[in-house]
Amino acid sequence: NAGVMQNPRHLVRRRGQEARLRCSPMKGHSHVYWYRQLPEEGLKFMVYLQKENIIDESGMPKERFSAEFPKEGPSILRIQQVVRGDSAAYFCASSPGTGTNVLTFGAGSRLTVL
Amino acid sequence: GENVEQHPSTLSVQEGDSAVIKCTYSDSASNYFPWYKQELGKRPQLIIDIRSNVGEKKDQRIAVTLNKTAKHFSLHITETQPEDSAVYFCAASRGGGADGLTFGKGTHLIIQP
Repeated sequence: NAGVMQNPRHLVRRRGQEARLRCSPMKGHSHVYWYRQLPEEGLKFMVYLQKENIIDESGMPKERFSAEFPKEGPSILRIQQVVRGDSAAYFCASSPGTGTNVLTFGAGSRLTVL
Repeated sequence: GENVEQHPSTLSVQEGDSAVIKCTYSDSASNYFPWYKQELGKRPQLIIDIRSNVGEKKDQRIAVTLNKTAKHFSLHITETQPEDSAVYFCAASRGGGADGLTFGKGTHLIIQP
């Protein structure tokens, strides 16, 4: 079991470009969560998805940010027109879903906006 | 929504001594309380968790206590070792896969040799 796989591990973008971060959950896990971690800070919930459904996006900024978890393929967190304040580590976590929300985290994607 | 407060933000202890990190939560419906350890540049890893039907749980040198009435829970690490140095996060949720975890801001634990 390869665990939660995130890529890219490091991404550099210039202001105004788009960033796409991918997350493949653990085998058998159907629930995906995205968290953002700013330097020296905690983990801030962004969005919770199941296959083809966004369950809770209360932590997502209203503009420029979107997430999906298609029927086939990884979950994608998309940030359009990036700004310097988007620089952070973005962690994906997955859980089996029903009856538990024990989360297993991926290694994170570190976004740097120049 | 849930709000989790964590203290202290930094904790320095001598190797071999005990460390205690405390968290409070606001949502009385929360019933799942995990603790994660994050080493520098690495992913958060679950080290212990407790559910609201239990008051205390132990795993070797690590223990967690929960007081549902007061809405607080604590992590206790005994006989600390250099490899315990990391940032520790508490979290709370209603469980059942219905929502994600709300994390505290973390405690940077430093083990002094």
